[in-house]
Amino acid sequence: NAGVMQNPRHLVRRRGQEARLRCSPMKGHSHVYWYRQLPEEGLKFMVYLQKENIIDESGMPKERFSAEFPKEGPSILRIQQVVRGDSAAYFCASSPPSTSVPNTIYFGEGSWLTVV
Amino acid sequence: AQSVTQPDIHITVSEGASLELRCNYSYGATPYLFWYVQSPGQGLQLLLKYFSGDTLVQGIKGFEAEFKRSQSSFNLRKPSVHWSDAAEYFCAVGAYNQGGKLIFGQGTELSVKP
Repeated sequence: NAGVMQNPRHLVRRRGQEARLRCSPMKGHSHVYWYRQLPEEGLKFMVYLQKENIIDESGMPKERFSAEFPKEGPSILRIQQVVRGDSAAYFCASSPPSTSVPNTIYFGEGSWLTVV
Repeated sequence: AQSVTQPDIHITVSEGASLELRCNYSYGATPYLFWYVQSPGQGLQLLLKYFSGDTLVQGIKGFEAEFKRSQSSFNLRKPSVHWSDAAEYFCAVGAYNQGGKLIFGQGTELSVKP
């Protein structure tokens, strides 16, 4: 997990509320990825961001989910009007600034979202 | 379709015994392969990776993996398992120009008997 910081670690939301998950990448890393792990499943790619740019959001649900990585500050994964099916672990990962070669990505400890 | 298959959902081995976790992939481009380990409630730790070159790669904690292109496999091995190795293991595949976008297998849960 090498320094990728996620918060909160645990978050409980009622159905219909908003969830905001934050991720600060490792020092020197400018690429951020969000993955979701549903219970009893592997990780599924959601979105790939660079500063102020969404590079690939092919894994993001079409509605209620959004992600940003502003020029200053952490990356934010935002889930609006949460439903029970959003309950999962959300992992952020980061990598150095290169896409021309395969990158090793480093994961944070995860944010566990529970929707009640 | 691109996919990673870990055929064994759960494996139990005795402490000190050898271990092999299977991983098969289906990927159109040249694959880059990873094994991660996850302890309960924790994030993922990289065990080892294969990008090119020697098809037998060494990782941390005494693990190794062998890339076999002809079998589309990247099996993880350890000669002698320790109780602390009990965890969930994930195989993942990435590609050139995809950055850190990885496709993960469903994981293999390893239990270690005393």
